[in-house]
Amino acid sequence: DAGVTQSPTHLIKTRGQQVTLRCSPKSGHDTVSWYQQALGQGPQFIFQYYEEEERQRGNFPDRFSGHQFPNYSSELNVNALLLGDSALYLCASSLTHQETQYFGPGTRLLVL
Amino acid sequence: KQEVTQIPAALSVPEGENLVLNCSFTDSAIYNLQWFRQDPGKGLTSLLLIQSSQREQTSGRLNASLDKSSGRSTLYIAASQPGDSATYLCALRPGTYKYIFGTGTRLKVLA
Repeated sequence: DAGVTQSPTHLIKTRGQQVTLRCSPKSGHDTVSWYQQALGQGPQFIFQYYEEEERQRGNFPDRFSGHQFPNYSSELNVNALLLGDSALYLCASSLTHQETQYFGPGTRLLVL
Repeated sequence: KQEVTQIPAALSVPEGENLVLNCSFTDSAIYNLQWFRQDPGKGLTSLLLIQSSQREQTSGRLNASLDKSSGRSTLYIAASQPGDSATYLCALRPGTYKYIFGTGTRLKVLA
């Protein structure tokens, strides 16, 4: 049973560009959350998707947007990249009635 | 606003020691609290989940406690091993869908 997978593993972009990160949840999970983890910090909640809708959003600007597909996989899009967007982006999946979140290995984004 | 603090930020101990990692939070109205382990450059692995109504959870050499009234949780690691070296993060769910994380404790267990 595959766990949470994310692609790509690493990404280098320049300021002003746009990026799309992808996440496939653990088999049977219907809820996907995205987190941003800056170096030396704990993860910060970006948003959560359930039934293809954004259910809750953290304190991130509109440059951060997402999508959930009918197969429950999800994308995180970031527009107009800033140097400060450099971070590890983590995806977590869960079942709505369960509490444990399963995290993927993350995508490390470097903005130059 | 809920804030989560972990002390110490870093810890280095000899193999075999029992140790305690601390997590404190400012608002006792939480739904649950979870302890994670993160290896360098990797994702997070869930270690223990404590529901709001519970006082502690145990898994192998790990024991986590929760005291909502004092705004504290501790993770106890017995007989530490070099393989326990990692960053340990606590995260709480304040009742909504998101988790709020602490900044973590970097643990190094020396052989």
